[in-house]
Amino acid sequence: NAGVTQTPKFRILKIGQSMTLQCTQDMNHNYMYWYRQDPGMGLKLIYYSVGAGITDKGEVPNGYNVSRSTTEDFPLRLELAAPSQTSVYFCASSYSISAGKGEQFFGPGTRLTVL
Amino acid sequence: AQKITQTQPGMFVQEKEAVTLDCTYDTSDPSYGLFWYKQPSSGEMIFLIYQGSYDQQNATEGRYSLNFQKARKSANLVISASQLGDSAMYFCAMRESIQGAQKLVFGQGTRLTINP
Repeated sequence: NAGVTQTPKFRILKIGQSMTLQCTQDMNHNYMYWYRQDPGMGLKLIYYSVGAGITDKGEVPNGYNVSRSTTEDFPLRLELAAPSQTSVYFCASSYSISAGKGEQFFGPGTRLTVL
Repeated sequence: AQKITQTQPGMFVQEKEAVTLDCTYDTSDPSYGLFWYKQPSSGEMIFLIYQGSYDQQNATEGRYSLNFQKARKSANLVISASQLGDSAMYFCAMRESIQGAQKLVFGQGTRLTINP
């Protein structure tokens, strides 16, 4: 049981480039999330998904897009990268709170630098 | 809007002492959940403990306990008998439920350093 996996671990982008951050979970969780963590700060929600085919914006969605074609995968797309998107990106997944605490399980993170 | 406040940017504690990390929250939702996560220097987010707003008793998980004072809107994390491995960032977070999903709002964190 790998939990939540993210690729790549590190990436450097030039301004204006695009990339996709991959996230996969093998816990059959319906709910998945993308967060960003800026230096010295807490995490902020970018997008979330309540199931395959359903996504919605979080607190800081500008400059990002997501898709959810399967239960397992929730990729995050950065279009036209900007220095302000330099951050650590975390993917997470959870059961519904009706199934218990509903705590989120986090991937190891992707450290992205935009120069 | 929900808000989480952690007022201690850094804490320094001697090994084996107990430590309390402060967290206050603000919400108008009568149903909410509070989480604590640990982030060691390696960067991963580790779930520690959960408290539901309707839970009658304070949550405990091994050396971790949550001092939940609903009227004061505080949810402080208590670590007993601290160990060197407890040195890390600690984040308090509040759950906002949307269609069963949990949108977590995080505080800015407290960096805990355990001295030998």
